[in-house]
This record gives sequence, structure tokens and C-alpha cells, in this order.
Amino acid sequence: AQSVTQLDSQVPVFEEAPVELRCNYSSSVSVYLFWYVQYPNQGLQLLLKYLSGSTLVKGINGFEAEFNKSQTSFHLRKPSVHISDTAEYFCAVSGYGTALIFGKGTTLSVSS
Amino acid sequence: DTAVSQTPKYLVTQMGNDKSIKCEQNLGHDTMYWYKQDSKKFLKIMFSYNNKELIINETVPNRFSPKSPDKAHLNLHINSLELGDSAVYFCASSLIIPGGADTEAFFGQGTRLTVV
Repeated sequence: AQSVTQLDSQVPVFEEAPVELRCNYSSSVSVYLFWYVQYPNQGLQLLLKYLSGSTLVKGINGFEAEFNKSQTSFHLRKPSVHISDTAEYFCAVSGYGTALIFGKGTTLSVSS
Repeated sequence: DTAVSQTPKYLVTQMGNDKSIKCEQNLGHDTMYWYKQDSKKFLKIMFSYNNKELIINETVPNRFSPKSPDKAHLNLHINSLELGDSAVYFCASSLIIPGGADTEAFFGQGTRLTVV
């Protein structure tokens, strides 16, 4: 069975500061990994995904994530955040025969 | 052109009523889902259909019944609504690659159901 743990429920940062949102997964088989963002009262939008290949994945809005198989992690990073990045961020995993399984989410709050 | 659209966006209803939420995707995907997001924003899979066949049915009360008339549509019917059913319900669709794993799910805007 697969599971996802987002290690921080809330991350407050100041504008233009770097940010890292942490995600660990567990799975006995190969997995695909995703980060989604949810702005208030909206649906989920894909930020980036890791299917195979390079372990450093670049996504939209300046976000990137690194797949680390030995540490079973897929942390999301951005070097300089904006007020508009304030949102809920979800890490997710998929594997054979399963739908996307989501972590509990991390609330990123960016203030000036 | 909306990829995954669900209606209605808001639904307020009384306990005991029956209601339906409709979902349509124009992405040509074979697989569609219903997710429930609770008040703590936790997203939980409810159902998954592949080519109109139910393939995932999580522990959901049998008051919830999904129906897929074709692979572009997946509706959710809820009988005898209860206060605890209040949540945001998301429809999603995805492409399953050979080997059976999701490569990406596209989500609708959600239906906020409030049972009073």
C-alpha cells in the first residue's frame, strides 16, 4: 500500500524568501509522484510530476522538486516566493492499480 | 474550453434529500474519479471508473452511488443526505499508462455541498 506524509501542516514565509515543502512517501513498488496546488475556492492544479528520468523536476510558477529514492522524499522548493503563492499544496503518489493518494496538505502563507 | 467540468458548483440542501452532481471531461481520458475533500482539506478517493466500469470503491456509505453513462461522464448520486456529507466533492479524470498507473489527474472546480 502507498501513503504520503507531508511533514508540515503550515508554512509561513515572507515574500521573496525561499521555501521548501516536505513530502515523504512509502511504497513497495515503483511510484509516480506529484505536487498539486489549490488556491482558495478552486480545484487542484498540477504543479509538477515525476514519472521517470531526471530526479530534479521543474514545474510551473518557478517551483521545482527533487525525487530522492533512498530517502523516499519528494520535497517542493521555490527560491523566492510571492504573495500569490499563498495556497494549499498537496503531494500525491500513484502506483499500479491505485488512484492518486494525497497527503494532508501544507498551507503556504506568504506575507509582505 | 473546460477540461473537467462539474455542476453544480454550490449545492445547499436539507437533510434527508437526494441530490446529484454531474461531471464531464473532454480530454478523451479513460478513467474518472470522485474525491471528497473534508473541512480539514483532506482529499480522499471515493470511486474510480475506467471505461464505464467501477474499479475502485473505497469505504463509502451505499447512499453514494456513482453512474457512468459513457467514459466522458461520471455522475454522483447521494441519497438521504446527512449533515456529515457536507464537503467539497471533486471530479477528476486521468490517463492510465500501460502498466496501470496514473500519469496525471485533471480536476474539476469542485462542488461545495452543504447539508442543513
